[in-house]
Amino acid sequence: GAVVSQHPSRVICKSGTSVKIECRSLDFQATTMFWYRQFPKQSLMLMATSNEGSKATYEQGVEKDKFLINHASLTLSTLTVTSAHPEDSSFYICSASRDITNYGYTFGSGTRLTVV
Amino acid sequence: GENVEQHPSTLSVQEGDSAVIKCTYSDSASNYFPWYKQELGKGPQLIIDIRSNVGEKKDQRIAVTLNKTAKHFSLHITETQPEDSAVYFCAASIGGTSYGKLTFGQGTILTVHP
Repeated sequence: GAVVSQHPSRVICKSGTSVKIECRSLDFQATTMFWYRQFPKQSLMLMATSNEGSKATYEQGVEKDKFLINHASLTLSTLTVTSAHPEDSSFYICSASRDITNYGYTFGSGTRLTVV
Repeated sequence: GENVEQHPSTLSVQEGDSAVIKCTYSDSASNYFPWYKQELGKGPQLIIDIRSNVGEKKDQRIAVTLNKTAKHFSLHITETQPEDSAVYFCAASIGGTSYGKLTFGQGTILTVHP
């Protein structure tokens, strides 16, 4: 089955620093990758959609300069939280799809970001 | 854009009972409806999905029904077990394009008591 690997699973960083989260599709080529944010006891909120080789499309209200997304290959997308602040602390989850019509979406295991 | 409403927000059942979670969606163009199970600190796991050309789909103890006219779909879990306890999310998307983003419901916390 389709497997998506997300790293790191947990990260603690100091306020003002940047953090990079990786999302890899291990056994398929992902034409589209998605990044979500989830606050405790809440649903997943889509942050952005990225297609390989093109700029990410951000959802309304998501700061593109703060949440940098790179989808450099068909198997790797990265989310960089720049100049992190405590309010950026959250659970970040990626998902990938090679063909939504036929295969749906596969989610990573998530990254717990804590900014201190 | 698409809006997905999910009910109930919490559901408590006894082991062996059935559990039903219901969702409604707003965009009639949506044609892919997955259900996910999320355990604490983990990413969502697909448990079953249905596409708009099908009215019902079953996989062992889990079934999903879709009513396109009413724009609602439901998850049915029979013979519940304590390990079914988790948060369940419904979602909807417009598949068939490379930009078929998922819109999630609010989630249901299912607790199965032994």
